[in-house]
Amino acid sequence: GAGVSQSPSNKVTEKGKDVELRCDPISGHTALYWYRQSLGQGLEFLIYFQGNSAPDKSGLPSDRFSAERTGGSVSTLTIQRTQQEDSAVYLCASSLEGGIHEQYFGPGTRLTVT
Amino acid sequence: ILNVEQSPQSLHVQEGDSTNFTCSFPSSNFYALHWYRWETAKSPEALFVMTLNGDEKKKGRISATLNTKEGYSYLYIKGSQPEDSATYLCAFIDYGQNFVFGPGTRLSVLP
Repeated sequence: GAGVSQSPSNKVTEKGKDVELRCDPISGHTALYWYRQSLGQGLEFLIYFQGNSAPDKSGLPSDRFSAERTGGSVSTLTIQRTQQEDSAVYLCASSLEGGIHEQYFGPGTRLTVT
Repeated sequence: ILNVEQSPQSLHVQEGDSTNFTCSFPSSNFYALHWYRWETAKSPEALFVMTLNGDEKKKGRISATLNTKEGYSYLYIKGSQPEDSATYLCAFIDYGQNFVFGPGTRLSVLP
């Protein structure tokens, strides 16, 4: 079956522009996570959606970052007024439900802000 | 702030060696611990999800143990192969569904 997909795979943008990153989770998975990996760093949690509950936004680094999940499926991570420090690989993962279920990761979106 | 640590940071072993590394996490409010393998240029893949103190999981040559009372988990690889080269991540989840990854242990297996 289809795994988690993300688009675009690569995105180069100019500083100050807005970008949208998309994640299509595995069908039937109610939990969806966004992470980022900056150069030389580990995985940094950004946001977590579980079913219809309010998302856990505690990991978002600034108010320039927002995410939504429409219809409990596809999710979009939006970064407004991008900065060079936003350059990273953004990974999306989904799981059947929350913490006791393994996460399945997408291939990531490599964002470069010039 | 939840603190999850992994040691060593990196490890080089010869093919055929057995090895192990550690994940340390808060001993209170434990809900689950995950182990993932992250190969270069790929996405992380789940190895184990562990929930019970004393749990031991095994998948081929890889196994893991869990001690929730003292807040640690060990990952063991028996007879390391070059294809085991990857970064091994643990992730701690508490009852509030806060999900924190450790920094990883980078394993290189030399042929």
